[in-house]
Amino acid sequence: DVKVTQSSRYLVKRTGEKVFLECVQDMDHENMFWYRQDPGLGLRLIYFSYDVKMKEKGDIPEGYSVSREKKERFSLILESASTNQTSMYLCASSISTGQSYEQYFGPGTRLTVT
Amino acid sequence: KQEVTQIPAALSVPEGENLVLNCSFTDSAIYNLQWFRQDPGKGLTSLLLIQSSQREQTSGRLNASLDKSSGRSTLYIAASQPGDSATYLCAPGYSTLTFGKGTMLLVSP
Repeated sequence: DVKVTQSSRYLVKRTGEKVFLECVQDMDHENMFWYRQDPGLGLRLIYFSYDVKMKEKGDIPEGYSVSREKKERFSLILESASTNQTSMYLCASSISTGQSYEQYFGPGTRLTVT
Repeated sequence: KQEVTQIPAALSVPEGENLVLNCSFTDSAIYNLQWFRQDPGKGLTSLLLIQSSQREQTSGRLNASLDKSSGRSTLYIAASQPGDSATYLCAPGYSTLTFGKGTMLLVSP
């Protein structure tokens, strides 16, 4: 089974702190994704990566950056956390087979910025 | 830009009923469509993936259909159980997915 793990289930940070959210997948997937999920807004794509050291902006990249130094690990960075970044953050990965891009999700990190 | 609508937003049924969840999307240039389940406070679990060349997929009591040309997909749940209570999300896409806001299902014993 594909396993996607996230470094923390719950995280509380202060405004202005630099925050790192880490995601690791164990199935050698090329593609990795970061989403945030908010009530009434659904899941929105922040950043994604097709390969090591590659990154693409999603729908809402402002205030975030990412790092992918190894194929299995994709980090989301909040350079200076703000209260409007309080949210559930979900990581996913998928393989490019040419016929299927099935995404597999981690358990999520509930981030609270105070 | 792809827009995804799921109807109904919430559904409450007694155990044993068969039910249909609907998903519509505006851009039919998709590669596949995935249905997910999400329990409160948890991540998403993939239920079914339908490739654009397919019409339907089945897994146990779940059956998902896809009509790409009309921008519609349905998820059919047979003989619903209390354990099916969750939010169901539809996500069409290519290498990236666009999510609907989900249908919150409650199955009462």
